[in-house]
Amino acid sequence: KAGVTQTPRYLIKTRGQQVTLSCSPISGHRSVSWYQQTPGQGLQFLFEYFSETQRNKGNFPGRFSGRQFSNSRSEMNVSTLELGDSALYLCASSADRGRSGYTFGSGTRLTVV
Amino acid sequence: AQKVTQAQTEISVVEKEDVTLDCVYETRDTTYYLFWYKQPPSGELVFLIRRNSFDEQNEISGRYSWNFQKSTSSFNFTITASQVVDSAVYFCAGSTGTASKLTFGTGTRLQVTL
Repeated sequence: KAGVTQTPRYLIKTRGQQVTLSCSPISGHRSVSWYQQTPGQGLQFLFEYFSETQRNKGNFPGRFSGRQFSNSRSEMNVSTLELGDSALYLCASSADRGRSGYTFGSGTRLTVV
Repeated sequence: AQKVTQAQTEISVVEKEDVTLDCVYETRDTTYYLFWYKQPPSGELVFLIRRNSFDEQNEISGRYSWNFQKSTSSFNFTITASQVVDSAVYFCAGSTGTASKLTFGTGTRLQVTL
């Protein structure tokens, strides 16, 4: 059974640009969540999508957005990149919105220069 | 609001020693879920265990065991006879309500040496 797939694994962008990250959940999982991990702030929740609808949102500016498609694949977008957006972005999927746990992908490491 | 505290930033042990990682979860909700995840150098978070607030039974899985005590809000994780492959950062996390939004602790880096 394939795990959670995130693409790309590494990304370098320039300040002011925008970026789109992709996540393919485990087959049959309809819940996808995104987290940002930085050395200073640790692991922080960005948002959760279930059945193509955003169900939960963390405390991030509007530059961070996401969406989920009918096949449960999800994308997150960050516009007007800032140096502080450099982080590991982790996607997780669940069959039951986390009650039995989330399976995480390997992440996308974004570097903003 | 909820808070997850992992007071131990880094622990170093020699292989075969037992080690306990501490976690304290604070929330006003009576229904909540607790998790432990392992993050090896590759970056992926590996799910280890989930507990809900109504289940205070301890759990053992091979060399891993977990002790949940609701009275002290603690959910501690013990590795028996540690191995070098156990070296990683371990995160405790909690969630209330639907369990869909995890609040993570700051993590404990475990270094197991020969």
